[in-house]
This record gives sequence, structure tokens and C-alpha cells, in this order.
Amino acid sequence: GDSVTQMEGPVTLSEEAFLTINCTYTATGYPSLFWYVQYPGEGLQLLLKATKADDKGSNKGFEATYRKETTSFHLEKGSVQVSDSAVYFCALRVPARQLTFGSGTQLTVLP
Amino acid sequence: NAGVTQTPKFRILKIGQSMTLQCTQDMNHNYMYWYRQDPGMGLKLIYYSVGAGITDKGEVPNGYNVSRSTTEDFPLRLELAAPSQTSVYFCASSPSGGSDTVGTEAFFGQGTRLTVV
Repeated sequence: GDSVTQMEGPVTLSEEAFLTINCTYTATGYPSLFWYVQYPGEGLQLLLKATKADDKGSNKGFEATYRKETTSFHLEKGSVQVSDSAVYFCALRVPARQLTFGSGTQLTVLP
Repeated sequence: NAGVTQTPKFRILKIGQSMTLQCTQDMNHNYMYWYRQDPGMGLKLIYYSVGAGITDKGEVPNGYNVSRSTTEDFPLRLELAAPSQTSVYFCASSPSGGSDTVGTEAFFGQGTRLTVV
């Protein structure tokens, strides 16, 4: 079946530090890949996505590249802010199947 | 555009009580999902539905029931509440999985925080 393995947290960084959260996947098919973000006390919202190999999704300074050869979709940001503190979820979806989520990574950014 | 609406936002139940968590979406999505999120943990799929009249179990279905009589509504029923069901519950929806929906994300409600005492 489909699965997503996500970097364990929590991750604590200082403001303006570089962020990487690793995500690898297994899927029987050709999935679309997503990063969702959950701010404290809120539901999940889409951060970025990519639908085919070598696509780069980007939003709010975050980026992730769909790497088919390494089955990875790592999330990066060059300079994090306190407001980026949240839980980040990697997810995949093969057409006609349900979404599959990773376990989530808690990010805390200190001023 | 309301998206996915969950009610109530908060609820405290006593052990053995029953309740229904409501979920409605106005995007005409075929797929709907119920997840639970325990403190400090990821999402676990409880039940999902691929269309009206069709439901299926997810990873943690025990103690829950669902129905899908319309495209818009997907209520989650807890029959005999137990402390282990203390969690935050999220409903989500997404379009059906045809080729025209490749890359289309799921949309989440704001969650229901349930405490069983």
C-alpha cells in the first residue's frame, strides 16, 4: 500500500535558520505529493504541491521538489520566521485512492 | 464559500454517552474523510467515503460509525464514548480521483475537540 515516511520531530530552530524536513514515500502508482501545514488550534491547510517528477512546489518561501528517482519530497525554507512555527505534514495521493499522510513534524522557531 | 464545516467545535462527553460529529461540504466533492489527531501525534484515518451511499473503514474504525446519505454530509457517530476517544477530529473532502483531479488537494474543516471524562 501507499505510505509516507516523514522526518521525526520536534524541530527547533532560531529565526532566519535554514529548514529541511525530509519526506520519502512508497506508492503503487504515480502519486501527487503535498505538504500541509497546521498552525496551533487550526485545521490543516495546503502549503504546496507537485504532480509530476521534477516539479517544484513553492509557497510562502517554502519549496519542495518531486524526486521520483529517490521517491522524496523534502520541504525547505531558506530563512524561517517565528510565524512558521506549526506542524508540517507530507502527504501523497494516487488517483482514485485516498490521501495518505505522514506522521507530522512539529517545528518551533525561536526569536 | 464555506468549504468544509464541522460542528461542534468543542464537546465534553461522559463515558458511555453517544454523540454525532457533523461534517458538511459545499464543494460537491465525492470523497470525504474522518481523521483523529491525538496530542502530539499525526492523523489517523477513521472512515472514508468515495460517494453517497458508500463508506469504508480506515485505520482506526473501532468505536465509530458513519453514514453518507448525501454528497454534502458525512456525520461521524460515537455510540459509547470512552476516554481513549479523547482527541481532535478532522473532517476533509476532496474531488474524486479521475485524471482531471490529479494534484487536487483535500480540504479540511477546523476540527472538533472532544474530551471524554
